[in-house]
Amino acid sequence: QKEVEQNSGPLSVPEGAIASLNCTYSDRGSQSFFWYRQYSGKSPELIMSIYSNGDKEDGRFTAQLNKASQYVSLLIRDSQPSDSATYLCAVTFTGGTSYGKLTFGQGTILTVHP
Amino acid sequence: DGGITQSPKYLFRKEGQNVTLSCEQNLNHDAMYWYRQDPGQGLRLIYYSQIVNDFQKGDIAEGYSVSREKKESFPLTVTSAQKNPTAFYLCASSIYGDSYGYTFGSGTRLTVV
Repeated sequence: QKEVEQNSGPLSVPEGAIASLNCTYSDRGSQSFFWYRQYSGKSPELIMSIYSNGDKEDGRFTAQLNKASQYVSLLIRDSQPSDSATYLCAVTFTGGTSYGKLTFGQGTILTVHP
Repeated sequence: DGGITQSPKYLFRKEGQNVTLSCEQNLNHDAMYWYRQDPGQGLRLIYYSQIVNDFQKGDIAEGYSVSREKKESFPLTVTSAQKNPTAFYLCASSIYGDSYGYTFGSGTRLTVV
């Protein structure tokens, strides 16, 4: 079964620090990678997408992808208490009926304390 | 405004009862998905549909059924065969094969009483 694994949490960082969230995936042919943020009791919201090796920056968020190592990460700079949420890594696997279908990791709970 | 509407927001089911969760989208998306989320867990795929009148089982389809008679609608029925249905259910949609992620509904929280 194709899998997505996230580093175990919960993760707690002080306000202003860098939060680092990690994710590995099992299918070497995976094409698209996403990070979603989910506040308690709410639906996930897309915050970053990345498709090619390297870094992609958007404001305080940086996604990093290394396809050789089957590894994707999310860095949050200058963490704020409002960043406290569950972060979900999601991957699209290739082939057959998997086309376009997202598989999610188990999520990492992030708490940013003042 | 375009989006996905899930209803109801909260639902209570008695033992042995079937219940249906509604999901409607006006985004003209081809593909629709149902996920289940348990406390502190990620999302697990129940069923998905990439075109009208066709749907596929996901990883945890047992005890659930779906239909896709219209492009806009993808209702999920939680049957009495689902022994542990208490969870947060999320519906999502996307353009078929689109790699830009999903649009999610606001979810339905189902509780067995």
